[in-house]
Amino acid sequence: AQSVTQPDIHITVSEGASLELRCNYSYGATPYLFWYVQSPGQGLQLLLKYFSGDTLVQGIKGFEAEFKRSQSSFNLRKPSVHWSDAAEYFCAVGNTGNQFYFGTGTSLTVIP
Amino acid sequence: EAGVAQSPRYKIIEKRQSVAFWCNPISGHATLYWYQQILGQGPKLLIQFQNNGVVDDSQLPKDRFSAERLKGVDSTLKIQPAKLEDSAVYLCASSLQGENTGELFFGEGSRLTVL
Repeated sequence: AQSVTQPDIHITVSEGASLELRCNYSYGATPYLFWYVQSPGQGLQLLLKYFSGDTLVQGIKGFEAEFKRSQSSFNLRKPSVHWSDAAEYFCAVGNTGNQFYFGTGTSLTVIP
Repeated sequence: EAGVAQSPRYKIIEKRQSVAFWCNPISGHATLYWYQQILGQGPKLLIQFQNNGVVDDSQLPKDRFSAERLKGVDSTLKIQPAKLEDSAVYLCASSLQGENTGELFFGEGSRLTVL
């Protein structure tokens, strides 16, 4: 069975500081991995995805994530956070059947 | 390109009443999903359609929830009778058919409050 764990429920960072959101997955085969962002009252928007190849993937809004098979992780990073990045972030794992399973999310607060 | 449309955006009902949510996916997207997102939790898949056929409904509480996608385009999710624990945001999403493109396109969701 596939599952996703996001160990941090809530993170607070200062504007301009770096950010790392953790994600661990459980899946028997090579996973498809995603990060989505959800702003208040909005649907989810794809930030980036990993299918294969280069383990460091670049996404929108200056985000990147690194796939580490040995650690079953897909952590999201951003070198300098902006106030507009405050939102809920979800890691997800997908399979070849177009089925997607989401983690419980990490809420990001950005302080001036 | 129009996005995924959902209605209503908000609904308040009393327990044991019924409610229906509607979703129109992006044109050409064969796969349609309904997710339930309870406050403080991640989206949980309720049902996945490929065209008008059900791919996965293993987590749909079938004693009270039903969903259909009769013409392979728009879809309706119904809850009857509603319980307090059904209070959540119901998210509809769609994706292209075939090889996993990796992108779900989400609507803004329908927020249900059951009193």
